[in-house]
Amino acid sequence: DAGVIQSPRHEVTEMGQEVTLRCKPISGHDYLFWYRQTMMRGLELLIYFNNNVPIDDSGMPEDRFSAKMPNASFSTLKIQPSEPRDSAVYFCASSPEPGTANYGYTFGSGTRLTVV
Amino acid sequence: QQQVKQSPQSLIVQKGGISIINCAYENTAFDYFPWYQQFPGKGPALLIAIRPDVSEKKEGRFTISFNKSAKQFSLHIMDSQPGDSATYFCAASGETSGSRLTFGEGTQLTVNP
Repeated sequence: DAGVIQSPRHEVTEMGQEVTLRCKPISGHDYLFWYRQTMMRGLELLIYFNNNVPIDDSGMPEDRFSAKMPNASFSTLKIQPSEPRDSAVYFCASSPEPGTANYGYTFGSGTRLTVV
Repeated sequence: QQQVKQSPQSLIVQKGGISIINCAYENTAFDYFPWYQQFPGKGPALLIAIRPDVSEKKEGRFTISFNKSAKQFSLHIMDSQPGDSATYFCAASGETSGSRLTFGEGTQLTVNP
């Protein structure tokens, strides 16, 4: 398996533009997580899905953020409109069910977003 | 109660020394305690994990020590190497949080040659 695949790796956009981040989880993983990492706030959980269903989106900072998981192999995180304070590294991670032998999060390489 | 407190924020160790990073938690329902290692430009990667039925787990130079009564756990890196220089995160989860991990704030480890 190629691991968790995120695209793009880097994104530079102007304030007010729409940004879409993409994630392909590991096949067979039932959970998918979106995290944001900044120096000030560390790793923040934005939203997570179980079997494509959003379970907890309490970490989504504002209505400008939305996430979807239309199928087991694809998820998107959208920011519309983007603002400079959204600049961060966004990680997607997936995991199997808790309690399985190989349980643990596998993170993607992240998308570094810069909003100017 | 969902927080995991990690210390120190940064750590500098000489090559061959022992690196020790500590974490404390409040939620007694937590029953899974992993450590993640993150290199610059990469996502965090699972390093080692422990469940509270044991007090220690060792994998190579990495050891987790777990103290259930004190609600603390720590990562020990023996014979630290410059290649171990990275950011380390502790985390915790439990039945009440499902698969959701609560991460510590991270420790930036530098191992000098």
